[in-house]
Amino acid sequence: DQQVKQNSPSLSVQEGRISILNCDYTNSMFDYFLWYKKYPAEGPTFLISISSIKDKNEDGRFTVFLNKSAKHLSLHIVPSQPGDSAVYFCAASAVYSGGGADGLTFGKGTHLIIQP
Amino acid sequence: NAGVTQTPKFQVLKTGQSMTLQCAQDMNHNSMYWYRQDPGMGLRLIYYSASEGTTDKGEVPNGYNVSRLNKREFSLRLESAAPSQTSVYFCASSERQPTEAFFGQGTRLTVV
Repeated sequence: DQQVKQNSPSLSVQEGRISILNCDYTNSMFDYFLWYKKYPAEGPTFLISISSIKDKNEDGRFTVFLNKSAKHLSLHIVPSQPGDSAVYFCAASAVYSGGGADGLTFGKGTHLIIQP
Repeated sequence: NAGVTQTPKFQVLKTGQSMTLQCAQDMNHNSMYWYRQDPGMGLRLIYYSASEGTTDKGEVPNGYNVSRLNKREFSLRLESAAPSQTSVYFCASSERQPTEAFFGQGTRLTVV
């Protein structure tokens, strides 16, 4: 059973508008969440993360929100730019319960397309 | 700063052949990982090495073996390749805490 779910395979957003990518998780042990961005023929690159002690983390145009009670997180990109067109993966780990070195559990990804 | 380097970038194998995918990192990270990515799927963990001298199975270890040669290098071996192992393979490394992992460029493997 998928522990990290990204239910939207693709999302199309106009340049300059806000992009909102969603992610749900089922494993209550997860306490550290990350977003990765991936271009074709390249490896994923780290974008932003959040630990379960916070409900928001911001880095420039990127903000991640965490709702622990709903087991839901979202990535907001404002304003969206053409270079943001990529596949975005949500990932989770049980860092603070000692599972940090066990690797990340990834969702299936959302293909974000920014239209001019 | 090279980060995580994987070789080869592309490989075609015949069913039953063996090969080793190489991975090296220059960030002095303790933990290293092998993932595979299939179309429409996220990355799935094959094996990981939390520290030099240790290896553990991930979500999809069947058909693979690994070796943590030293702190820098972590190789993935396919002893008898099968078409189901056609995939893109990513190596990654990270510190134990936090778990921001750095990924290599990937190896695109086709088994015919």
